[in-house]
Amino acid sequence: GAGVSQSPSNKVTEKGKDVELRCDPISGHTALYWYRQSLGQGLEFLIYFQGNSAPDKSGLPSDRFSAERTGGSVSTLTIQRTQQEDSAVYLCASSFAGSPPGQFFGPGTRLTVL
Amino acid sequence: QQQVKQSPQSLIVQKGGIPIINCAYENTAFDYFPWYQQFPGKGPALLIAIRPDVSEKKEGRFTISFNKSAKQFSLHIMDSQPGDSATYFCAARGTGANNLFFGTGTRLTVIP
Repeated sequence: GAGVSQSPSNKVTEKGKDVELRCDPISGHTALYWYRQSLGQGLEFLIYFQGNSAPDKSGLPSDRFSAERTGGSVSTLTIQRTQQEDSAVYLCASSFAGSPPGQFFGPGTRLTVL
Repeated sequence: QQQVKQSPQSLIVQKGGIPIINCAYENTAFDYFPWYQQFPGKGPALLIAIRPDVSEKKEGRFTISFNKSAKQFSLHIMDSQPGDSATYFCAARGTGANNLFFGTGTRLTVIP
């Protein structure tokens, strides 16, 4: 596709439920990032994938958060046993290898945990 | 701990004015400083970026000023237009790092 796409655009869930958020990066981009944007806050780095290398998980806030990237393309961010403080916009970005500043962002998934 | 501090939180200017958004950092290992523009319901989009060996960079109406000794950088928007109304984020990347550290954003409103 022309840009990074994410689905769903909005997700409302109940506390304690698991959710999966999907990201389709730009074709040819080998690097993929997940960020979280909370109301009134900047973007918070969560995880980074580069090719077949082990992901950089240093930004994941707890072990309830995990992500995978299949076939070097599509990525899924999973949040288990969601809490109200997980409510935020989750943004995915992709870039060419070695070019983190040149990230292209998707429109995000707005997650609301009731 | 906020690695990049951004101010002001919000800014209102008249059309044609020159809004200035400021950012400061502490980590001297940062080597790349991009600015992103975000419209409601959209992801951030790269606007302009600078490296610390340059004191100023211009692209169209957007200018970054960089003060390495003060560890500060700022975005100036010349001849601002209502279409520039958006949230602006500064960011920084550490040498060899995989991710960006973002400021908390500035919501800019340009009044016609």
